[in-house]
Amino acid sequence: GESVGLHLPTLSVQEGDNSIINCAYSNSASDYFIWYKQESGKGPQFIIDIRSNMDKRQGQRVTVLLNKTVKHLSLQIAATQPGDSAVYFCAEAGLGSGTYKYIFGTGTRLKVLA
Amino acid sequence: GAVVSQHPSRVICKSGTSVKIECRSLDFQATTMFWYRQFPKQSLMLMATSNEGSKATYEQGVEKDKFLINHASLTLSTLTVTSAHPEDSSFYICSAREVGSYEQYFGPGTRLTVT
Repeated sequence: GESVGLHLPTLSVQEGDNSIINCAYSNSASDYFIWYKQESGKGPQFIIDIRSNMDKRQGQRVTVLLNKTVKHLSLQIAATQPGDSAVYFCAEAGLGSGTYKYIFGTGTRLKVLA
Repeated sequence: GAVVSQHPSRVICKSGTSVKIECRSLDFQATTMFWYRQFPKQSLMLMATSNEGSKATYEQGVEKDKFLINHASLTLSTLTVTSAHPEDSSFYICSAREVGSYEQYFGPGTRLTVT
């Protein structure tokens, strides 16, 4: 199930099930979106990206869906494995003050249950 | 390719002292580097953007005199936390953007603890 912690919402899924992590972005002018995985004490690890001229992109076991109408992004992980347990962040990017900056979402902790 | 390193990975310093964190792009040239701060169970917050050979651009609410950024070459940016206090304890992460690209490559982070 999904719960909201003090700062970080948590999604718990059974090993082998599919996971869907959602993200709402704020700037309708953003044209590039990225999903990152972050394990404890480490930097963000790139998972998949998508540009605003697309609404779906697939990678290995992961799919990103973009709905610009409602400014929503989702990450689908197929056949979730214990190694997928981590915090997942979406980031939106676009020109801001003349620099192409990334703005990160609040993040979702994914817990994979054996 | 596109590897970014940070040094040190962990540092403990006493309140009132300064500490320098290095960010290096190992196999590419980065005209722009970014510095982020991440508190426990929170997201990455952009602190500043540094461009090689020019002054850094700080985000609103980030004290430029406290967080000194130097981007002296296309492969190295440094963040100096001056007169550190316990509330500066955080995870500092840098990223680097390759010339001609919008993609950022992230370093492994530096855990700063101020006692």
